[in-house]
Amino acid sequence: DTEVTQTPKHLVMGMTNKKSLKCEQHMGHRAMYWYKQKAKKPPELMFVYSYEKLSINESVPSRFSPECPNSSLLNLHLHALQPEDSALYLCASSQNTGKNTGELFFGEGSRLTVL
Amino acid sequence: GEDVEQSLFLSVREGDSSVINCTYTDSSSTYLYWYKQEPGAGLQLLTYIFSNMDMKQDQRLTVLLNKKDKHLSLRIADTQTGDSAIYFCALSGGYNKLIFGAGTRLAVHP
Repeated sequence: DTEVTQTPKHLVMGMTNKKSLKCEQHMGHRAMYWYKQKAKKPPELMFVYSYEKLSINESVPSRFSPECPNSSLLNLHLHALQPEDSALYLCASSQNTGKNTGELFFGEGSRLTVL
Repeated sequence: GEDVEQSLFLSVREGDSSVINCTYTDSSSTYLYWYKQEPGAGLQLLTYIFSNMDMKQDQRLTVLLNKKDKHLSLRIADTQTGDSAIYFCALSGGYNKLIFGAGTRLAVHP
């Protein structure tokens, strides 16, 4: 199994809603990532979990709350989002962690629209 | 910090070769990567090159690295319509970090 699975594929939410994005991998990877991608832009790193611990938070607003319940799962909890948070949210995983970890496996993304 | 630049658009005829270019500022990355993103999909690692290599060939893909000029290129031979996508150059930006270029949109026409 070489897949990273993300659910839901599409999500529409109001600014007062609370929702979650989910990501799952069964490749035994020990690093998992959340990226945000706006239209016609490259992915921007949000969070990195290494061995189930948060190792990088790229100054992401607290309305985004990541969670790593176990080594296969990664969640992104969303609360009080703004319309400008509408984007494609990509989950990724990698086998290794460290300075030159670039071989990432990406999911297909969750396309979020905030009304 | 690291800056990675790519041209935004490339149009080629089916069967021709495509060359996608990337320049960068920080040469400390041990590996340099090319990712492909098809419409509505996530990113897929196409190939990568170790920083002490000049060239890597993988079927229709050839990666060239000029460390002196800090220039990376991806050549796709015999380009097909299925190669239409956005291609991102990426370098390591530190611990568990990848720095992506803006992406080059490749359009293949008959």
